[in-house]
Amino acid sequence: AQSVTQLGSHVSVSEGALVLLRCNYSSSVPPYLFWYVQYPNQGLQLLLKYTSAATLVKGINGFEAEFKKSETSFHLTKPSAHMSDAAEYFCAVSTFNDMRFGAGTRLTVKP
Amino acid sequence: DAEITQSPRHKITETGRQVTLACHQTWNHNNMFWYRQDLGHGLRLIHYSYGVQDTNKGEVSDGYSVSRSNTEDLPLTLESAASSQTSVYFCASSESRGAFEQFFGPGTRLTVL
Repeated sequence: AQSVTQLGSHVSVSEGALVLLRCNYSSSVPPYLFWYVQYPNQGLQLLLKYTSAATLVKGINGFEAEFKKSETSFHLTKPSAHMSDAAEYFCAVSTFNDMRFGAGTRLTVKP
Repeated sequence: DAEITQSPRHKITETGRQVTLACHQTWNHNNMFWYRQDLGHGLRLIHYSYGVQDTNKGEVSDGYSVSRSNTEDLPLTLESAASSQTSVYFCASSESRGAFEQFFGPGTRLTVL
């Protein structure tokens, strides 16, 4: 079975600073990888996904993530944080028979 | 626009009562899922269905049941509510497995007193 580890349950950045949210996975077969965002009192919505095409994936709201097979990582980045990016972010790994979510990282953006 | 809805959005109940949470999707997706979200645990899968009359247990299925009588609905039943089942519950659906994203409902906050 696959698993996901998100390093850091809380990340705080200043507005305009780089956002880096870390995700490492384990999977016995080539995985599909996702990042979801959850705003307060809402469900999750897709930011981006990796499906074995380009290793650098661009998503909504200026976010991108790079699939690194050798490091089993799929870190999420954004060059310049905005106040509206404050939310909880979930990494997920999927195969044909299973999807697993990480525990989540809460992003705080300071003015 | 297609959507996925959950009702009620908030529910308070007492220990031992049976509770049913509704989930309805208009995506015409075959796959539907129920998760619970608790601080520090992320999302944990309760039950899932790959089509009408198909149901499967997830990692935290004890005390919960589902049934799938049509494509649109997957109600989640707590047979005898316990305080440990106080949580936020999310329903999701997807077109297929693997590379296909899940679409999430807005969640139901359940409190068991």
